[in-house]
Amino acid sequence: EDQVTQSPEALRLQEGESSSLNCSYTVSGLRGLFWYRQDPGKGPEFLFTLYSAGEEKEKERLKATLTKKESFLHITAPKPEDSATYLCAVQAYSGAGSYQLTFGKGTKLSVIP
Amino acid sequence: GAVVSQHPSWVICKSGTSVKIECRSLDFQATTMFWYRQFPKQSLMLMATSNEGSKATYEQGVEKDKFLINHASLTLSTLTVTSAHPEDSSFYICSARALDRQNSPLHFGNGTRLTVT
Repeated sequence: EDQVTQSPEALRLQEGESSSLNCSYTVSGLRGLFWYRQDPGKGPEFLFTLYSAGEEKEKERLKATLTKKESFLHITAPKPEDSATYLCAVQAYSGAGSYQLTFGKGTKLSVIP
Repeated sequence: GAVVSQHPSWVICKSGTSVKIECRSLDFQATTMFWYRQFPKQSLMLMATSNEGSKATYEQGVEKDKFLINHASLTLSTLTVTSAHPEDSSFYICSARALDRQNSPLHFGNGTRLTVT
């Protein structure tokens, strides 16, 4: 069974204090790891897709990296507007031409001014 | 690009009534759309896969007669919660892929907060 574990569950940072969020996964045949940002009462907003170990993607203050067992979302000099829940999801082939997407529970990030 | 619109954003209904939620892809066509449910502090749980022109595929434990899905066109899928009960209160979110490739990212609607009283 595919599993996705995100840590920490919640993270409070001072504005400008860099940190990393972790997404550990166990999956057979990874076909992509996705990072999303979710604001309260909203649907997830797509951030990154990573496909293979060693791959990195960047967008403004965010940088996502991938190894064979986990992914990190690095946040450099965060601002209050970066406060949100960050979701990690892994996609694997589930047979018969279909793919299964499994989400973690997310890390709730709060950036204090 | 890749905008998914969901309506309504919130709804309150009485126990025993039915509620319909619409999901539209605004700038692309989607042969497949996905319906998720999210409880507080929990991850998104896939309920069903909506296929244009054919029957939806439901995940284990999801009652297909309770959660009716219709995918009438390449840009519209609807989820109807029939005979709603308080335990059906949740955040329902739809999603779709902008490109017809399995490994392209899902784009989500803004969700519908359903409260059953």
